Amino acid sequence: AQTVTQSQPEMSVQEAETVTLSCTYDTSESDYYLFWYKQPPSRQMILVIRQEAYKQQNATENRFSVNFQKAAKSFSLKISDSQLGDAAMYFCAYRSRTSGTYKYIFGTGTRLKVLA
Amino acid sequence: DTGVSQNPRHKITKRGQNVTFRCDPISEHNRLYWYRQTLGQGPEFLTYFQNEAQLEKSRLLSDRFSAERPKGSFSTLEIQRTEQGDSAMYLCASSLAGLAGALGQYFGPGTRLTVT
Repeated sequence: AQTVTQSQPEMSVQEAETVTLSCTYDTSESDYYLFWYKQPPSRQMILVIRQEAYKQQNATENRFSVNFQKAAKSFSLKISDSQLGDAAMYFCAYRSRTSGTYKYIFGTGTRLKVLA
Repeated sequence: DTGVSQNPRHKITKRGQNVTFRCDPISEHNRLYWYRQTLGQGPEFLTYFQNEAQLEKSRLLSDRFSAERPKGSFSTLEIQRTEQGDSAMYLCASSLAGLAGALGQYFGPGTRLTVT
């Protein structure tokens, strides 16, 4: 069974600085999707960025980028020029592309604090 | 269409009572997911539908939980004979199927259940 691990329960970053959130996963599959979701306090979860495993190029979305290391099964999220609005829980998620199941498996999350 | 909606947003019930939650997905989305999230944890998969068919159900889901998606539109999640351990946030998410499913899920605001 696939698992997703986020080993940093909490991270802090100064406003305008850069922070990297870690995620590792375990799977025997070769084709899958990886996602980062953001859950602000008392607000609903939104998709930040996604990566398709067959693509070697790391995904970027404005200030958000990932470092996808397939062999190491690592999928970290880098947030550049951090803003107060980036403060939230961040969840890493995995979804198979080929096994016939479309369920998402989430990590336990990293709480990001942004310091003014 | 403004996104995934869930009702009620909050529910307080006494142990042993039955509760039912509703989720209205984004209208063109044919996949619908239910998750349970407890404080400080990531979303835990419960079940998902593709159109009206329930394709997968978590082995952790007891027989007290049942979900339906008649006509492939809205979905309901019922919990019978509630227990205090059922207290959690219940999240609904929807997505497109096929290659577009790689775009990820869209989450609703959740229903917070408190069992007293």
